[in-house]
Amino acid sequence: QQQVKQSPQSLIVQKGGISIINCAYENTAFDYFPWYQQFPGKGPALLIAIRPDVSEKKEGRFTISFNKSAKQFSLHIMDSQPGDSATYFCAANRYGGSQGNLIFGKGTKLSVKP
Amino acid sequence: GAGVSQSPSNKVTEKGKDVELRCDPISGHTALYWYRQRLGQGLEFLIYFQGNSAPDKSGLPSDRFSAERTGESVSTLTIQRTQQEDSAVYLCASSLGILQENTGELFFGEGSRLTVL
Repeated sequence: QQQVKQSPQSLIVQKGGISIINCAYENTAFDYFPWYQQFPGKGPALLIAIRPDVSEKKEGRFTISFNKSAKQFSLHIMDSQPGDSATYFCAANRYGGSQGNLIFGKGTKLSVKP
Repeated sequence: GAGVSQSPSNKVTEKGKDVELRCDPISGHTALYWYRQRLGQGLEFLIYFQGNSAPDKSGLPSDRFSAERTGESVSTLTIQRTQQEDSAVYLCASSLGILQENTGELFFGEGSRLTVL
């Protein structure tokens, strides 16, 4: 069964702190790993994505770290702000074959306290 | 419109009734996806359309669920004989093409919240 396992389920961080969300996958054929951000009542939106040919990708305060040998990747939010409070989903996609869809983790609800 | 549009935004129905949910993708997007999001859960893949290819229906949970797409435009998700466990937010997304040919970004609508009493 192809899965993406995400942790923690919820996270509370003080303003200015670092938020870290972790994901692990099983299928080594996965080669695209995006993170989506979802605010209440809205659809998810792409935040940042990485491919396995690099170990880290940074966009502003958001960084993905990727460990191919461990089959793990994580999202780091530096200087977390109350506006970052949302649910974050990691995902993976297997290029080629029959799957043309993203497999999502169960999500992490982040609350950033002022 | 500029984004993916879904209707209705909210639907309350009685157990056993049929419901139809509609999705208008972004113009020019050839790929269209349906996902289900139960309360506090992740996104569960339902079905995927790409151009004129046969849809990937591997995520549909039962034969009560079906979906159609007219060309590369509107899609309708139909749930027959609704059950209480069908209560969820149904999200539609579209993208420029099959994921290996672009950046892979899916653009989601705001969803249709279905409540089955």
